[in-house]
Amino acid sequence: TAGITQAPTSQILAAGRSMTLRCTQDMRHNAMYWYRQDLGLGLRLIHYSNTAGTTGKGEVPDGYSVSRANTDDFPLTLASAVPSQTSVYFCASSGLGQGANGGYTFGSGTRLTVV
Amino acid sequence: GNSVTQMEGPVTLSEEAFLTINCTYTATGYPSLFWYVQYPGEGLQLLLKATKADDKGSNKGFEATYRKETTSFHLEKGSVQVSDSAVYFCALSRSGGSYIPTFGRGTSLIVHP
Repeated sequence: TAGITQAPTSQILAAGRSMTLRCTQDMRHNAMYWYRQDLGLGLRLIHYSNTAGTTGKGEVPDGYSVSRANTDDFPLTLASAVPSQTSVYFCASSGLGQGANGGYTFGSGTRLTVV
Repeated sequence: GNSVTQMEGPVTLSEEAFLTINCTYTATGYPSLFWYVQYPGEGLQLLLKATKADDKGSNKGFEATYRKETTSFHLEKGSVQVSDSAVYFCALSRSGGSYIPTFGRGTSLIVHP
């Protein structure tokens, strides 16, 4: 089934350690996004990429980095995790020019706990 | 900038009750409007959309009408089911620029048998 695959599904991480959350899509969508979801705060954009080779900062980028070496993959890296990064992370994508008309496709999320 | 405001939840209803979840927005230009649904343990799924004023989006018995005069996109369903229990997100996306969507904070719906 076409869509977005996120890995891992869940992870417990010690504070100060680094981790990369993986996101892969098979729809050849140009744009990809990383959100975090926290109770009472809804979805907040961390980073985005409009096309391979480009990235941009969202609403809450501090402590996170991304890369977009190709169309399909958009990994999110936490260089030195802190407890406030405990959250559920969602990757999403949309086709070029389709965001306004076709909506967005979301992965199933990664639940991260930093202890 | 763009923003989306949803009614706070949780909304608790009995099966077959009428549902309304309010959503208002602030945006420049002419955004497209969406409702997404998130079932427990899953990612968001597009429920319905409307791309211009007075359009009505509909899916699975849910409806929402794009009201430019009141900048609203309220979600309605005439008879909810237990299986509709989920979190509902209102969102907008502009037709120009980077197309990054703006989401509301989500409204939890709990339907009891």
